[in-house]
Amino acid sequence: EPEVTQTPSHQVTQMGQEVILRCVPISNHLYFYWYRQILGQKVEFLVSFYNNEISEKSEIFDDQFSVERPDGSNFTLKIRSTKLEDSAMYFCASKEGQSYGYTFGSGTRLTVV
Amino acid sequence: LAKTTQPISMDSYEGQEVNITCSHNNIATNDYITWYQQFPSQGPRFIIQGYKTKVTNEVASLFIPADRKSSTLSLPRVSLSDTAVYYCLVGDRYQKVTFGTGTKLQVIP
Repeated sequence: EPEVTQTPSHQVTQMGQEVILRCVPISNHLYFYWYRQILGQKVEFLVSFYNNEISEKSEIFDDQFSVERPDGSNFTLKIRSTKLEDSAMYFCASKEGQSYGYTFGSGTRLTVV
Repeated sequence: LAKTTQPISMDSYEGQEVNITCSHNNIATNDYITWYQQFPSQGPRFIIQGYKTKVTNEVASLFIPADRKSSTLSLPRVSLSDTAVYYCLVGDRYQKVTFGTGTKLQVIP
């Protein structure tokens, strides 16, 4: 079964540092997403990406966040200057078409110290 | 997006059928009902989606009454590995998914 792959599985970073979380969506999928889940809380939408541009973003996705699809396979989330409250599991998801179900990756656990 | 209400938690013994009901009184005509499963420290996994009546796949069944104001996810003969959080989502299939707090299912040996 095709998978969404995320790397690294766990990243520890110092406050103020930049981090890049990487995702390889399923190859024929066209819609890409980032979600996050703070420990013990709900899964929250961050951003959706289609046709090489952001289609929707949440209030959480401020100027510190950016996404990129630098080549045909990778989809990255960059946090420019991490804060303690950015500590969470970050999930990448993709889907083939607008009406299809999402496939989520296993997540990257980001710990900001 | 239609608001959903589902139990916070449920316990079940291994081998039993588990039914998790979700209320969505203000579901819109274009809305579908989708269920996801999430294990600890993993991403949510799509289980099943339906619009009306009954949908069945290899994992679960989804029952939707005629008024569509509720839905029931049925897991046949649960095992310990079915212990997870189950999310009921209602919305247009073209919208992004928005997760609630889900139902934490604990399967007991």
